[in-house]
Amino acid sequence: GAGVSQSPSNKVTEKGKDVELRCDPISGHTALYWYRQSLGQGLEFLIYFQGNSAPDKSGLPSDRFSAERTGGSVSTLTIQRTQQEDSAVYLCASSLEQGVEQFFGPGTRLTVL
Amino acid sequence: GENVEQHPSTLSVQEGDSAVIKCTYSDSASNYFPWYKQELGKRPQLIIDIRSNVGEKKDQRIAVTLNKTAKHFSLHITETQPEDSAVYFCAASIRGSNYQLIWGAGTKLIIKP
Repeated sequence: GAGVSQSPSNKVTEKGKDVELRCDPISGHTALYWYRQSLGQGLEFLIYFQGNSAPDKSGLPSDRFSAERTGGSVSTLTIQRTQQEDSAVYLCASSLEQGVEQFFGPGTRLTVL
Repeated sequence: GENVEQHPSTLSVQEGDSAVIKCTYSDSASNYFPWYKQELGKRPQLIIDIRSNVGEKKDQRIAVTLNKTAKHFSLHITETQPEDSAVYFCAASIRGSNYQLIWGAGTKLIIKP
């Protein structure tokens, strides 16, 4: 079946604008994660959703970042008033449940000018 | 908080030689330890994983060993090939975060021809 998909693949925006990044997880996967990866760096955890439980937002770097997951499937990561330091690749991953293999999407490369 | 330390940050080996990457974790209740490979410009992909009830697992040229007493696990790649060049990430599940994965910082493996 289809893997994790993300859109857009690339996004260029101006400082101060809002952006929305979308993630379509693998069907049936209850856990969904967002990570940020700056150039040449590791995976920075942002937020995760597990079923109908309250999301773990402990990794969000500021209140400009928010995410939601509708109907236990598609998720949207929103960054308000973007800053140049927000430039990175944003990766989404999903897993069948917690504590098992995570499948990553191709990422969205965000560039803030 | 809980963390995962990964060493070395960069590893350069001659083609055909073996490569070993080590990770240590802090949560004695961790029970799942995956290794991901990320080629340049691509998404991370699982290459091997191990659970806490076994000490070693092999898959062709790749093996992972786990020492629960010392709280460390290692990735072993034998007969390295140019296509093994990539960044490798280890991770460990953390009980306090509902067994969410905590990631190492990554190791850049360079295979010299």
